[in-house]
Amino acid sequence: GQQLNQSPQSMFIQEGEDVSMNCTSSSIFNTWLWYKQDPGEGPVLLIALYKAGELTSNGRLTAQFGITRKDSFLNISASIPSDVGIYFCAGLKTSYDKVIFGPGTSLSVIP
Amino acid sequence: GAVVSQHPSWVICKSGTSVKIECRSLDFQATTMFWYRQFPKQSLMLMATSNEGSKATYEQGVEKDKFLINHASLTLSTLTVTSAHPEDSSFYICSAQVAGGDTQYFGPGTRLTVL
Repeated sequence: GQQLNQSPQSMFIQEGEDVSMNCTSSSIFNTWLWYKQDPGEGPVLLIALYKAGELTSNGRLTAQFGITRKDSFLNISASIPSDVGIYFCAGLKTSYDKVIFGPGTSLSVIP
Repeated sequence: GAVVSQHPSWVICKSGTSVKIECRSLDFQATTMFWYRQFPKQSLMLMATSNEGSKATYEQGVEKDKFLINHASLTLSTLTVTSAHPEDSSFYICSAQVAGGDTQYFGPGTRLTVL
């Protein structure tokens, strides 16, 4: 079935560093979503992407919808301790399809 | 906007009892709600899709008689775990999709522990 892969699986970075993570698929998606989940909480939507090539920012976060429609990237600039959590990408083909979630990237920020 | 609540946030119950979890969209109407299950250090696993006024659609391998879903209104869906067993212990998360939209907004989750 459809599957998303996220890379890296986990990362440990120093506070202030920039972070890059990506999400790839063998299938084409028409919507890409990035969520962050804190321990014991539900995922929170960070950025939604609807168009191939689209680059969208939300504060220190920037995400891009790959032009092949098979990948997406999330960058976090100048990381801070509260960026710690698990980042999930999710893909959607149409409004009537179920969302497919990636396995997540665990981010740890060392003060 | 787009706030989803879940109740309770955590529950401990004895094996064999039933537990009901509520999911509410507080400031929008959701024709579709989704129920997920998440094990530690794993991604979200979709259990079922709940449409207002109709029967839920369950994913393969999810027992519909064990996980009863009711979506009686545009702002409320409930998941009842019937005859719970320790292996049902998990983090259950709901999400709601704005009518006509693509984006899902998640609730804070319910931690279920079955003794």
